[in-house]
Amino acid sequence: GESVGLHLPTLSVQEGDNSIINCAYSNSASDYFIWYKQESGKGPQFIIDIRSNMDKRQGQRVTVLLNKTVKHLSLQIAATQPGDSAVYFCAENWARDSSYKLIFGSGTRLLVRP
Amino acid sequence: DTGVSQNPRHKITKRGQNVTFRCDPISEHNRLYWYRQTLGQGPEFLTYFQNEAQLEKSRLLSDRFSAERPKGSFSTLEIQRTEQGDSAMYLCASSLLNSGANVLTFGAGSRLTVL
Repeated sequence: GESVGLHLPTLSVQEGDNSIINCAYSNSASDYFIWYKQESGKGPQFIIDIRSNMDKRQGQRVTVLLNKTVKHLSLQIAATQPGDSAVYFCAENWARDSSYKLIFGSGTRLLVRP
Repeated sequence: DTGVSQNPRHKITKRGQNVTFRCDPISEHNRLYWYRQTLGQGPEFLTYFQNEAQLEKSRLLSDRFSAERPKGSFSTLEIQRTEQGDSAMYLCASSLLNSGANVLTFGAGSRLTVL
């Protein structure tokens, strides 16, 4: 079925440490993936994306890794800051049956300890 | 352009009443999406439009739900005869499909509480 799942519902890290959030997706035909950050009371906010023809993409303090063999995504946040505390979702572009929608996982809550 | 705007931000209603939410997307975006999000869950796809055409509806969208985008700009989501299970955050997003990069920009959402 349509599903994007996450391994860890809550991740607690010390400020300054690196964070790694993992995600498994289900549709091998998905061609595009996005990580979103959602703070309390707000809509999801774009962080970084990656196309299926890439295995790594870097942004400012964030890196996304894609392993198509095992249908796995990860988001790495370097030098985690208190402002990174939020819920993080991975989403896959459901490129099947001429559909262009994003399917989201259930999210990982990142807590940054001062 | 101030991004995707949703109104109202909060709506409390009694079971059986009808509610309508409005979404104003980013002006140059041709795709508009509605999602529903419950506490602790990721957004669930409901429906999307390309311009004024509704291209896909999720099986989650029962007959009590209807969405429109009459002029290809703003959209409305109406829920008739609300039930307590309809309580959720309703998120609108828009995008400009470009070379396969379907980046959705979300609004802040409309929170519905059905008593």
